[in-house]
Amino acid sequence: SSELTQDPAVSVALGQTVRITCQGDSLRVYHATWFQQKPGQAPLLVISGKNKRPSGVPDRFSGSTSGNTASLIITGAQAEDEADYHCNSRDSSGNHLGVVFGGGTRLTVL
Amino acid sequence: QRQLVQSGPELKKPGTSVKVSCRASGFTFIGSTVQWVRQAPGEGQKLEYIGWIVIGSTNTNYAQQFQGRVTFTRDLSTSTAYMELRGLRSEDTGVYYCAADRRGVSYLFDSWGQGSLVIVSS
Repeated sequence: SSELTQDPAVSVALGQTVRITCQGDSLRVYHATWFQQKPGQAPLLVISGKNKRPSGVPDRFSGSTSGNTASLIITGAQAEDEADYHCNSRDSSGNHLGVVFGGGTRLTVL
Repeated sequence: QRQLVQSGPELKKPGTSVKVSCRASGFTFIGSTVQWVRQAPGEGQKLEYIGWIVIGSTNTNYAQQFQGRVTFTRDLSTSTAYMELRGLRSEDTGVYYCAADRRGVSYLFDSWGQGSLVIVSS
């Protein structure tokens, strides 16, 4: 099956912009979906498809893709954005109907 | 509002089975797909895909590492999806989440249950 690679940890100063990346061959074929997860909580979908935000997700969250790399961009990071961020996509090799997840990125807001 | 409510924590012995439930409300259950994902205990653990079930047709997709050990079912009368995992081992300890795609099979799992903790220990 496909693999998605994320940096384990990223930090950003309060109010600054941060890019969290997700790399994998499946991203050349399928869009990434991004989830935010805070301690003790279920994941929350923040970005899907071609940069779509569900209602209730602040517009400082956006997504983009270039080649095999998808990015979640937080413009003007807030303290409440400190969380784990997980990407996923459909599997482009092996189980074509299945889904693969990245390893997750812990975002620290300084 | 859209909601998924999962069953409570379970303590199981190695080799036994567990069945986790996920009751849906606030959307058309029969038109949805329910995905199951697990996460090992502790902070910073990755999410692991287990599979999904299309509620209307009962078509399923299972991740290769779970095939033969997991079964998804659903009960339309109670709007509940179930995941049964057999042959439990200590590595199956974790939090199991269900998530729903209200649009069918669009891979937009935007409603999540609160998670069910399963501990496998002798």
